[in-house]
Amino acid sequence: AQKITQTQPGMFVQEKEAVTLDCTYDTSDQSYGLFWYKQPSSGEMIFLIYQGSYDEQNATEGRYSLNFQKARKSANLVISASQLGDSAMYFCAMVRGYQKVTFGTGTKLQVIP
Amino acid sequence: SQTIHQWPATLVQPVGSPLSLECTVEGTSNPNLYWYRQAAGRGLQLLFYSVGIGQISSEVPQNLSASRPQDRQFILSSKKLLLSDSGFYLCAWVAGAINVYNEQFFGPGTRLTVL
Repeated sequence: AQKITQTQPGMFVQEKEAVTLDCTYDTSDQSYGLFWYKQPSSGEMIFLIYQGSYDEQNATEGRYSLNFQKARKSANLVISASQLGDSAMYFCAMVRGYQKVTFGTGTKLQVIP
Repeated sequence: SQTIHQWPATLVQPVGSPLSLECTVEGTSNPNLYWYRQAAGRGLQLLFYSVGIGQISSEVPQNLSASRPQDRQFILSSKKLLLSDSGFYLCAWVAGAINVYNEQFFGPGTRLTVL
């Protein structure tokens, strides 16, 4: 069975500094996708970044980058130059057949001024 | 552009009452549709998904059911709510290609409180 593990229930980061949110996954599939979503206190789920299992380059989207280490089954999210608006819950997720997505338990990030 | 709607936004229901949550998608055809539940402070749990009209797959056995009467309509129901059904319910859609993993787009959610 597929499983996503986020071991950091909460993180603090100083404004303008970089932060890494950890994510490890477990799957026997060869083809899969990994996502990161942001959930502010309003509850909406905001897509941040995607990495395919066959992608050789780490994905980047603006201030977000995904540190993909396939052999270690990790897909850590790196946020550079943190902003106050980055304070939110962050979920790592894995997609498999029929676009079924398994989510981790999330990391609550708080950016300190 | 595509949009996804959910209603109601909030709902307070007594234990044992029925439930009907609706989700509709605009601007796309033949999407895969999903219902998730998020308990307070927790991650998302996939409840149901549908790859087409009348096609429903259940991920977690429970007292909830789902239906897809139209291509872009997905309904979550219960005949008798339990206290444990409280949570934040999110509907999502994705373009239906099976071999390409696409971003899921989420609706605004329904916050359900069962008393």
